[in-house]
Amino acid sequence: GQQLNQSPQSMFIQEGEDVSMNCTSSSIFNTWLWYKQDPGEGPVLLIALYKAGELTSNGRLTAQFGITRKDSFLNISASIPSDVGIYFCAGQLGNYGQNFVFGPGTRLSVLP
Amino acid sequence: SQTIHQWPATLVQPVGSPLSLECTVEGTSNPNLYWYRQAAGRGLQLLFYSVGIGQISSEVPQNLSASRPQDRQFILSSKKLLLSDSGFYLCAWSPGTDTQYFGPGTRLTVL
Repeated sequence: GQQLNQSPQSMFIQEGEDVSMNCTSSSIFNTWLWYKQDPGEGPVLLIALYKAGELTSNGRLTAQFGITRKDSFLNISASIPSDVGIYFCAGQLGNYGQNFVFGPGTRLSVLP
Repeated sequence: SQTIHQWPATLVQPVGSPLSLECTVEGTSNPNLYWYRQAAGRGLQLLFYSVGIGQISSEVPQNLSASRPQDRQFILSSKKLLLSDSGFYLCAWSPGTDTQYFGPGTRLTVL
């Protein structure tokens, strides 16, 4: 089946630093979603991308839909302690809502 | 606005006991509904999805089942729990387009 790879698997950064993470696949996706999950809670949707090349921001977060449609990137600027969590990417293959594929997540730790 | 509820929030059950987790969505109609399981420190595994009342698709073979008795209600069940059923169960809904929203989750521990 389709798989998404996320890198890095985990990262430790200093507060105030910028963060970059990405999601890649061998399949072409029509939609890319980025989520953040805090411990013991459900994932929260951060950014949704619908067009190849699209660049979308949500506050300090910026995500891009790769031109090849096989990858996506998430950047966080000026990290703060509440950015700690697991970041998941998800891709949608078709035009039907049921075909979402999730990556394994990037665990972010922010050191004060 | 739409909201999604799950209950219970936490559950501790003995091996071999039955299970029923409930998920309801408010503020929308005819949503696509999903059940995921998340093992500790791991990603999300899709268990079931539903595009309408009584329509359930299973992604992985297991001793779990799902039902959708009403448009905005999705239930995850088991007749006999296994130790390996422990995990964090997440319900999600989609308007049928290009986004998906998650509930708060249920932490299940099977002893």
